[in-house]
Amino acid sequence: AQKVTQAQTEISVVEKEDVTLDCVYETRDTTYYLFWYKQPPSGELVFLIRRNSFDEQNEISGRYSWNFQKSTSSFNFTITASQVVDSAVYFCALITGANSKLTFGKGITLSVRP
Amino acid sequence: NAGVTQTPKFQVLKTGQSMTLQCAQDMNHEYMSWYRQDPGMGLRLIHYSVGAGITDQGEVPNGYNVSRSTTEDFPLRLLSAAPSQTSVYFCASSYDRGPHTDTQYFGPGTRLTVL
Repeated sequence: AQKVTQAQTEISVVEKEDVTLDCVYETRDTTYYLFWYKQPPSGELVFLIRRNSFDEQNEISGRYSWNFQKSTSSFNFTITASQVVDSAVYFCALITGANSKLTFGKGITLSVRP
Repeated sequence: NAGVTQTPKFQVLKTGQSMTLQCAQDMNHEYMSWYRQDPGMGLRLIHYSVGAGITDQGEVPNGYNVSRSTTEDFPLRLLSAAPSQTSVYFCASSYDRGPHTDTQYFGPGTRLTVL
C-alpha cells in the first residue's frame, strides 16, 4: 500500500516570508516517483515537479526548492520570499513501481497575506 | 494544442439521473484517468486507461463507468447519480503508460452537484 501524508492543513504567512510545505510518503517499493501540484483559487491543477526515487538531489527553480530525503521518506517544498500569487492548495503525490495509480495527499492550503 | 479539455464545467443533477462527463486530449497521450476531489480528501482515482480499449478501476470506481474507444476521448458515465457523487471531477492524461513513466497533466475540472 502507498500513502502520502501532508500533516499541515492550512498555513498563513505574510508576504516575503519563507514557507515550507511538508510531505511524508509510505511505500515498500524501491522505485517510485513523487510529485508536487499547485491548485490556485481558479481551480486548475498545475504540475510543479516530478522526482524519482533514485535521484536525491535537491532541486531549485526560482523561488521554489524541493528537499527529497529517502532516510525520512520526505519530499518537502519550500517557497522563498513568498508572494500573494503563491496562495493556493498544494498537493504532494506518489506513484510506485509499475502501478499506474497516483496517490495524492490531502493538500495544504497556503495563504500569503500582503 | 488545446491540452486536456473537459465539458461541462458545471452540472447540476437530480438523484437518479444519468450523465456523461466528457474528457478529450489532443496530445496523442496513451494514458488517461479520472479523479474526484472532495474537501479534505485530496484527489482520488476513479478509473484509468492505459490505451484505447483498455480501462481499469482506481480507488473509488463504484457508481461510475468508463470506456476508451479512441485515444483522444475518455468519457466518465454516472449511471444513477447520488448526492455522494457531488464533487469536482478532473481528467488527466500523460504521454506514456501512466504517471509511473510520465507526468500527468490535468484538465480544468467539472463541478458536479447532485441534489
